[in-house]
Amino acid sequence: EDQVTQSPEALRLQEGESSSLNCSYTVSGLRGLFWYRQDPGKGPEFLFTLYSAGEEKEKERLKATLTKKESFLHITAPKPEDSATYLCAVQNNNNDMRFGAGTRLTVKP
Amino acid sequence: EAGVVQSPRYKIIEKKQPVAFWCNPISGHNTLYWYRQNLGQGPELLIRYENEEAVDDSQLPKDRFSAERLKGVDSTLKIQPAELGDSAVYLCASWDRANTGELFFGEGSRLTVL
Repeated sequence: EDQVTQSPEALRLQEGESSSLNCSYTVSGLRGLFWYRQDPGKGPEFLFTLYSAGEEKEKERLKATLTKKESFLHITAPKPEDSATYLCAVQNNNNDMRFGAGTRLTVKP
Repeated sequence: EAGVVQSPRYKIIEKKQPVAFWCNPISGHNTLYWYRQNLGQGPELLIRYENEEAVDDSQLPKDRFSAERLKGVDSTLKIQPAELGDSAVYLCASWDRANTGELFFGEGSRLTVL
């Protein structure tokens, strides 16, 4: 069975303090690894899709990387508006999408 | 382009009552997912449709949950009868297989069972 484990569960940063979120996974044939941002009371919002080990994608202060066993979401010089829950998900070759429990990020001004 | 539309946004019911949630996916997206999200947890898959066919419903509690996707467009998720443990947010998502590969989510339907 496909599994996704995210760590840490919660992360508190000062504004400008860079850090990384981890997503470890096991999957029966990776079709894609997804990162989403979720604000309270909202549906998840797409950030990135990574398809193969070694791939990297960037968007503003966020950078996602992928290895065969894990993915990292690097946040550089975060701002308070980056506070949210970040979800990782893997999609297998049967198009099943499994999510992790998320990392709740708080950025203090 | 309109996003994934869900209704109702909020629903409060007594236990043992029925409830239904509706989802209109993005036009042209053939794959539709229903997820349940408990507070502080990630979304858990309930059912996946490819067009009108339910291709993965292994996580759907079939004794009380049912779903349909007539004509391969809109979908309805029903719970009858509802239990206290069904309180959660029910998320619908549609998949843009042909273009970005992105999974688009609706705002969700928050269910409270009293």
